[in-house]
Amino acid sequence: KNEVEQSPQNLTAQEGEFITINCSYSVGISALHWLQQHPGGGIVSLFMLSSGKKKHGRLIATINIQEKHSSLHITASHPRDSAVYICAVLNSGNTPLVFGKGTRLSVIA
Amino acid sequence: DAGVIQSPRHEVTEMGQEVTLRCKPISGHNSLFWYRQTMMRGLELLIYFNNNVPIDDSGMPEDRFSAKMPNASFSTLKIQPSEPRDSAVYFCASSSAAGYTFGSGTRLTVV
Repeated sequence: KNEVEQSPQNLTAQEGEFITINCSYSVGISALHWLQQHPGGGIVSLFMLSSGKKKHGRLIATINIQEKHSSLHITASHPRDSAVYICAVLNSGNTPLVFGKGTRLSVIA
Repeated sequence: DAGVIQSPRHEVTEMGQEVTLRCKPISGHNSLFWYRQTMMRGLELLIYFNNNVPIDDSGMPEDRFSAKMPNASFSTLKIQPSEPRDSAVYFCASSSAAGYTFGSGTRLTVV
């Protein structure tokens, strides 16, 4: 069983819809990252969270440490949000990220 | 800051040739990671360094792969000899307590 589970694996939405991507993890962590990767593109870190909630533009990330769960929300989705969103956790200190398998999001105009 | 810089962006090589991928981490980041991404397996850790010292190379697929970090501003990942199954995107990332940054990746194709 993967230490980091994401759902859904694939998601298609109409432009303007509110989108939620979920991430559950089974290990103790010091931080959680939400990453974005466009087709053929590099990986961009959207958020690093260790507690609570963060917001950047139309993106909101939340984490519940007790439940070992995080969500990434996109409000007023747009076709340019189409990408793979990857949840990744950091066990401690300067250690490698443990990745989820990603959620492929397609937003249709 | 220019971010994590990888070169080359694309590499096409023939089976059996030596391939060297390069990475310049963000100044002040004390950890550097090499990852490989394929359609089948997603992102996998190959090796990582803390303060230029290799910490865990258990992800390196076989002896054909080697990585070095001679100083805080440079690392290489070498494949010798290369094989078609090595075709993938190779990402370098660096981190500090403040965050984690990926390079743009090197797309390697071995024919």
